[in-house]
Amino acid sequence: GQQVMQIPQYQHVQEGEDFTTYCNSSTTLSNIQWYKQRPGGHPVFLIQLVKSGEVKKQKRLTFQFGEAKKNSSLHITATQTTDVGTYFCAANTGNQFYFGTGTSLTVIP
Amino acid sequence: EAGVAQSPRYKIIEKRQSVAFWCNPISGHATLYWYQQILGQGPKLLIQFQNNGVVDDSQLPKDRFSAERLKGVDSTLKIQPAKLEDSAVYLCASTHPTGHTEAFFGQGTRLTVV
Repeated sequence: GQQVMQIPQYQHVQEGEDFTTYCNSSTTLSNIQWYKQRPGGHPVFLIQLVKSGEVKKQKRLTFQFGEAKKNSSLHITATQTTDVGTYFCAANTGNQFYFGTGTSLTVIP
Repeated sequence: EAGVAQSPRYKIIEKRQSVAFWCNPISGHATLYWYQQILGQGPKLLIQFQNNGVVDDSQLPKDRFSAERLKGVDSTLKIQPAKLEDSAVYLCASTHPTGHTEAFFGQGTRLTVV
């Protein structure tokens, strides 16, 4: 099936530092979505990227879709303790959603 | 609007026993997904329904897992017989029929097989 890899698997940052997670697909995607899952919770939708090279911002979060529509990144500026959780990309190849391996973010106060 | 409902929230069974999970998606959502999430991993798609038809079940272990969505609304996922490695959270999600929009997830069922 679809291979969607994310790096890093874990990231510990001091509060106020920046954080980036990268998502790579083995195939060209129709679109890509990002989700956040708090410990013990369920994935919650953050954003969807559709166009090649698209960049979207949500406050301190910046999402980017690669030109080839095979990779994406999520960047958080000046992390806060509320950013703690696991960030997943979800690759859409047309009809199916495949989740990446996730990046677990720990923010040290 | 009401969210995706799942039950039970927790289930503990012995290996070789059977178990069933129930999901009621958001009203009007034609697409329903079942995911398996093992601790520390990303959700793995088990099966996708479009109304009452199966779109993708390529990763469903069909020798022990089955799922149905007979009336195109709620769905059940069954495991028979369960193995230790089936211990995971089983997540149900649904999406609106128009376009590739966000997936709304239920709270999940945490299954422990002992």
